Amino acid sequence: QSALTQPPSTSGSPGQSVTISCTGTSSDVGGYNYVSWYQQHPGKAPKLIIYAVTKRPSGVPDRFSGSKSGNTASLTVSGLQAEDEADYYCCSFVGSRDIPWVFGGGTKLTVL
Amino acid sequence: ELQVAESGGGLVQPGGSLRLSCEASGFRVSSNYMSWVRQAPGKGLEWVSVLYSGGRIYYADSVRGRFTISRDDSNNMLYLQMSGLRVEDTAVYFCVREDGDDWYFDLWGRGTLVTVSS
Repeated sequence: QSALTQPPSTSGSPGQSVTISCTGTSSDVGGYNYVSWYQQHPGKAPKLIIYAVTKRPSGVPDRFSGSKSGNTASLTVSGLQAEDEADYYCCSFVGSRDIPWVFGGGTKLTVL
Repeated sequence: ELQVAESGGGLVQPGGSLRLSCEASGFRVSSNYMSWVRQAPGKGLEWVSVLYSGGRIYYADSVRGRFTISRDDSNNMLYLQMSGLRVEDTAVYFCVREDGDDWYFDLWGRGTLVTVSS
């Protein structure tokens, strides 16, 4: 199972919006509405910010939103803040009998 | 408070073995889907293995045949027995709880570092 494809990096100025893409196949992203997104600050554990494509856990600001079209999922961060600078990873349930999960390679978000 | 805490990492020579432990608090390991996810230095996340509440087990291709996931229900612990370790197994290993309804990782530990080097 190949990793999902994310851009290595992206950036934006405070207050702007950025969108991070996550491209897979019909066997993962396109086949299930079980895409999740994780934020990771340096030296810290990943933190869930989006699950089931569009749902936000309690406590996650509504500046974070998720969507999906075909085999590509997207994470949008609106009203960028300095603390949003982090690595972001997408993940999809695969449903394979052997390998149920696949992660994206990660995207470094820089707030200029 | 819901939390998981990993231990057991360290320096090991190639070909060696190591057992990682994960202590869960606030919930039962036996009633949940529990995974190990690793992150090599400066790299992305890689799912390693899962143990479902019903006992089904799956492994990533990169570790199948070398790693064994298990749990101790009486002590509420999850384990990862690693053998035949390779340099490329060097990583921080996270113990993670999964939500089995919407399929996501909802609770992460801080991780334990495994370094495979001669």
